Amino acid sequence: NAGVTQTPKFQVLKTGQSMTLQCAQDMNHNSMYWYRQDPGMGLRLIYYSASEGTTDKGEVPNGYNVSRLNKREFSLRLESAAPSQTSVYFCASSERGQVTLNSGANVLTFGAGSRLTVL
Amino acid sequence: DAKTTQPTSMDCAEGRAANLPCNHSTISGNEYVYWYRQIHSQGPQYIIHGLKNNETNEMASLIITEDRKSSTLILPHATLRDTAVYYCIVPSWGGANNLFFGTGTRLTVIP
Repeated sequence: NAGVTQTPKFQVLKTGQSMTLQCAQDMNHNSMYWYRQDPGMGLRLIYYSASEGTTDKGEVPNGYNVSRLNKREFSLRLESAAPSQTSVYFCASSERGQVTLNSGANVLTFGAGSRLTVL
Repeated sequence: DAKTTQPTSMDCAEGRAANLPCNHSTISGNEYVYWYRQIHSQGPQYIIHGLKNNETNEMASLIITEDRKSSTLILPHATLRDTAVYYCIVPSWGGANNLFFGTGTRLTVIP
């Protein structure tokens, strides 16, 4: 049981290049998330997907696109990388779908992270 | 999201209990308190969560005050491997399913 798997673990890009970060989970979770973490800061939500076929913006979506390919996979694409996107990216998943009041807890399982450097 | 306040850093002697406080004075009645930790360069790891009652699992205990405005995470016998940043989180329901990870408390377990 691998949990949440992210690829690649490390990537160096030049400004303007594009790339896709891949994320897959094998826990049959409904929701998936992409966060970024900059040095000395907490995690900030980029995009999330509460169910297959739906995606929504988080706190810092500009410069990114996402695709929920199927229930298992959620990819993050940088169309034209910028130095400001240098960061560590974390994918996460949770069992719950769209959370509503009184519907209980929502526990996230995170991947190991992808370290991206944009020169 | 409900705002949480945690100390920036704490030290704890190995083998002793580590008590990590968190204030969440604006918490609403249906909002859970979650604790995660992040060991250097790794992805955050879920520890425990609670609503009103105190909770215990194999990793830690969570003590929530009766008014729910604060909580304490307790690691009963801290080890060097518990050195990490600990995040106390109170997400809002609906919409983003978002767990807002602030800067947390950096716990250093000292030999």
